[in-house]
Amino acid sequence: QVQLQLSGPRLVKPSQTLSLTCAISGDSVSSDTSAWNWIRQSPSRGLEWLGRTYYRSKWFNDYAVSVKGRITVNPDTSKNQFSLQLNSVTPEDTAVYYCARGGATFDYWGHGSLVTVSS
Amino acid sequence: DIVMTQTPLSLPVTLGQPASISCRSSQSVVHSDGNTYLSWLQQRPGQPPRLLIYLISKRFSGVSDRFSGSGAGTDFTLKISRVEPEDVGVYYCMQTSQFSRTFGQGTKLEIK
Repeated sequence: QVQLQLSGPRLVKPSQTLSLTCAISGDSVSSDTSAWNWIRQSPSRGLEWLGRTYYRSKWFNDYAVSVKGRITVNPDTSKNQFSLQLNSVTPEDTAVYYCARGGATFDYWGHGSLVTVSS
Repeated sequence: DIVMTQTPLSLPVTLGQPASISCRSSQSVVHSDGNTYLSWLQQRPGQPPRLLIYLISKRFSGVSDRFSGSGAGTDFTLKISRVEPEDVGVYYCMQTSQFSRTFGQGTKLEIK
């Protein structure tokens, strides 16, 4: 059974960087059949896919157009986890952030973390 | 991006009765590999989304056979054969055929 555990600050100031980590158990971040995603949910935007990292002989990253230029998703093979960094945040980035496994679909989700952007 | 539109947005159902949710995509969600990456998620109150159905009609591990998916191209349906109390929540369709994965706006199922 795959489990994903999110961690990171719940409050971020405007213009600063939002950073979250998703620890994986039951699978490997280096798996060549899985992809590791960040998704957020807010009342105004609903569910929004942000980006992913995956390994297919080398590392790849894909990012949503809506956050491209502000987002970085990185694997950490030593700790079997992956991270999200979202720069220059505004109150519009306030949301529940989820990590999820999947390429063809999102089959396992972490529990989510409400991150508030406020001074 | 592909826009996923669900109807209805609110679905009051009597216990034991069937329920049906429609999802329409703004363009075909058939992938270049021939598969249609259309999934259905359930989100119970206070919980993360949970995968119910993938590839239009395949039930995920542990999902009740009361749930079924159907459709093709741009029109898809999730059916619940007999609604039970634990089915209360919001249901989302999702496409992962295109690079930018997108979700429907959600259908809130409640018990009448």
